[in-house]
Amino acid sequence: EPEVTQTPSHQVTQMGQEVILRCVPISNHLYFYWYRQILGQKVEFLVSFYNNEISEKSEIFDDQFSVERPDGSNFTLKIRSTKLEDSAMYFCASTRQGGGEQFFGPGTRLTVL
Amino acid sequence: KQEVTQIPAALSVPEGENLVLNCSFTDSAIYNLQWFRQDPGKGLTSLLLIQSSQREQTSGRLNASLDKSSGRSTLYIAASQPGDSATYLCASPGRGNTGFQKLVFGTGTRLLVSP
Repeated sequence: EPEVTQTPSHQVTQMGQEVILRCVPISNHLYFYWYRQILGQKVEFLVSFYNNEISEKSEIFDDQFSVERPDGSNFTLKIRSTKLEDSAMYFCASTRQGGGEQFFGPGTRLTVL
Repeated sequence: KQEVTQIPAALSVPEGENLVLNCSFTDSAIYNLQWFRQDPGKGLTSLLLIQSSQREQTSGRLNASLDKSSGRSTLYIAASQPGDSATYLCASPGRGNTGFQKLVFGTGTRLLVSP
């Protein structure tokens, strides 16, 4: 059964460093998302992406964040200069149609020291 | 703005019991509602998606209901097993500038089924 994959599973970085989180959505899906979950808190929406552009972003998704679909399979989230408060589990999700069932990857645990 | 809440925050039951998890939402113009399971430190596994036009959706021992007028959804788990122990999340697409896309999540119900 097709699934969303994410790499790495765990990333440790120093404050101020750039990180890139990678996702491979399900192949025939058209809408892609990033969410994050700070330990003990709700899953929060970061950004949605469709037709090679951002369709919506939350207040969390400021200038330090960017997304890209560099080829036909990968979807990346870049954090330019990490802060301690960026430590969280980051989930990628995809769906075939807007508003449809979203399928999530296993997540990348980002630890900023 | 869609807001989703879940009660109880935690639930502990003996194996074999039937149980109900509750989810409330504020925007009754709901597009659909999705139930997920999350194991500790893991990703989200989609369990059921119930469309706004549906009242119920079933998958195995799981049954989800949707009542738009009261702003509630329930997840019924029949004959619970220790393997059902996990956090259960409900989520619904919030209205954005490009339609219903981003999921708005509840805080989850942490379920423990003891043998």
